[in-house]
Amino acid sequence: QQQVKQSPQSLIVQKGGISIINCAYENTAFDYFPWYQQFPGKGPALLIAIRPDVSEKKEGRFTISFNKSAKQFSLHIMDSQPGDSATYFCAASRPGGATNKLIFGTGTLLAVQP
Amino acid sequence: DAGVTQSPTHLIKTRGQQVTLRCSPKSGHDTVSWYQQALGQGPQFIFQYYEEEERQRGNFPDRFSGHQYPNYSSELNVNALLLGDSALYLCASSDTGGADTDTQYFGPGTRLTVL
Repeated sequence: QQQVKQSPQSLIVQKGGISIINCAYENTAFDYFPWYQQFPGKGPALLIAIRPDVSEKKEGRFTISFNKSAKQFSLHIMDSQPGDSATYFCAASRPGGATNKLIFGTGTLLAVQP
Repeated sequence: DAGVTQSPTHLIKTRGQQVTLRCSPKSGHDTVSWYQQALGQGPQFIFQYYEEEERQRGNFPDRFSGHQYPNYSSELNVNALLLGDSALYLCASSDTGGADTDTQYFGPGTRLTVL
C-alpha cells in the first residue's frame, strides 16, 4: 500500500513533442503528489506538485493531471526540449509533518532528441 | 537565499568503517529528512529530524543514525559500512511550522562509495 508505481521506465521524444509520464498509487491516505527532475550527479529538483482537491495543475510547460478515483496522476511536458532530458520521479506523501515522508516511484529516463 | 547544502560531495570508505555526512537546510526550514538513492532507483526514506529528535524512520537498520543541531543542521552517521551502502545520500529540508509543510527541497547529495 506504500508503493508508487511509475511508467514508462524510459521515454524518447522528439523536440517539440509532448512527454507523458504516469504514476499510480494505492494508499488513499496520500494527499500530496510532487514531481521531481533529476540530472546525473545532482539532487532531485521540485518541478510541480498537486493535491487531490484539483484535477489539473499547470506551471509553464509542465502539467499534472490527477484522477482521484483511479488513483493515478501524470506529468505532461509540452514542447519538450533537449534540456528537459533527465530522470523524472513522481512521489507521494501523507498529510501532517510527522508522516510526510516521500514515497518515490522508480523513475523515468527522458531523452528529448533534437 | 541559500538552498540545501551537503558535505562532502564525494566520499570513499572501506567496509566496516564509519561515515558522517552533513546537511544544512534551506534558510527558514526546521525539518531535515535523509534519503538513500541507489544507482538507477528512486530515493528511499531513511529518517526525519525535527526539533532535534528523530520523528519518523524508514526501513533502515540502526547502523544508520542521525542528529539535528539547534541551528537545524543535521548529520547522518552510518556504522559498520557494507558494500550495499554505496549510494547517493540526499538531504531534504522542509518547514514544519510553515504554510507548505509538505514541500521538500533536496540538496545535491553526497556520493558514498564503499570498497
